[in-house]
Amino acid sequence: GESVGLHLPTLSVQEGDNSIINCAYSNSASDYFIWYKQESGKGPQFIIDIRSNMDKRQGQRVTVLLNKTVKHLSLQIAATQPGDSAVYFCAESYTGGFKTIFGAGTRLFVKA
Amino acid sequence: DAGVTQSPTHLIKTRGQQVTLRCSPKSGHDTVSWYQQALGQGPQFIFQYYEEEERQRGNFPDRFSGHQFPNYSSELNVNALLLGDSALYLCASSLSLAGGQETQYFGPGTRLLVL
Repeated sequence: GESVGLHLPTLSVQEGDNSIINCAYSNSASDYFIWYKQESGKGPQFIIDIRSNMDKRQGQRVTVLLNKTVKHLSLQIAATQPGDSAVYFCAESYTGGFKTIFGAGTRLFVKA
Repeated sequence: DAGVTQSPTHLIKTRGQQVTLRCSPKSGHDTVSWYQQALGQGPQFIFQYYEEEERQRGNFPDRFSGHQFPNYSSELNVNALLLGDSALYLCASSLSLAGGQETQYFGPGTRLLVL
C-alpha cells in the first residue's frame, strides 16, 4: 500500500553542523512532497515543498532533494540551531488526490 | 492575517460520549482537512471538505463525521467515543486550484483525552 517512511527515527547533531533527514516513499504516482516541522504541543509547520518535476529546491537554510528513481527525498538543514530541535515529517500527495500521507517522523536533537 | 485556529485546545470526555471540534481556516483558504495524530506517530488523514462537501475520506469509521460551513469553517464530530480516539486532532486549510491544491497549513490542534 501507500506509505511514506523515514530511515532514522532520531537524529542528534551538534549546533552549527549540517543535518540530513531522509525519507522513502512507495507511491510512484505521488508528485508533490512536503516537509513539516512539529514542535512539542504545536501543529505541523510547513518548511519546504517540492514537485516531481524538480530534483532540488532551496529555502532559507533548508534544501530538499528528490530522487524519483529510488523514491527518496531528504531534508538538509544548514548550520543547525537549537531552535531546529523538533520532529520532522515528510509527506506526499498527488495531483487529483486530496489526501496527504505522512511518515512516522524523525526527532532531531541539537546539542549546544 | 490569522492563521488556522482550532477550538477547544484540550478536551476530556468519557467513553460513549460525543465530541465536536471546530476549525477556522487561514484567510483566503477554502478547503479544510482533518487529521488524527496519536502520540509518537504522524498525522493520519480523516477527511477533507471543499464546497461544503466531503470529497475524500481516509480509513476512519462512520463515527467520524464532519461539516463545512459557507464561511469555510469546519467541524469534526466523533460519536460513541472509544479510548483509542484519544489523540491530537489537527485541522489543515488550503486553497483548492484546478488540478490540485496548494500547501496545507495546520492549526495547533485539539488534544482529546477519552477516559
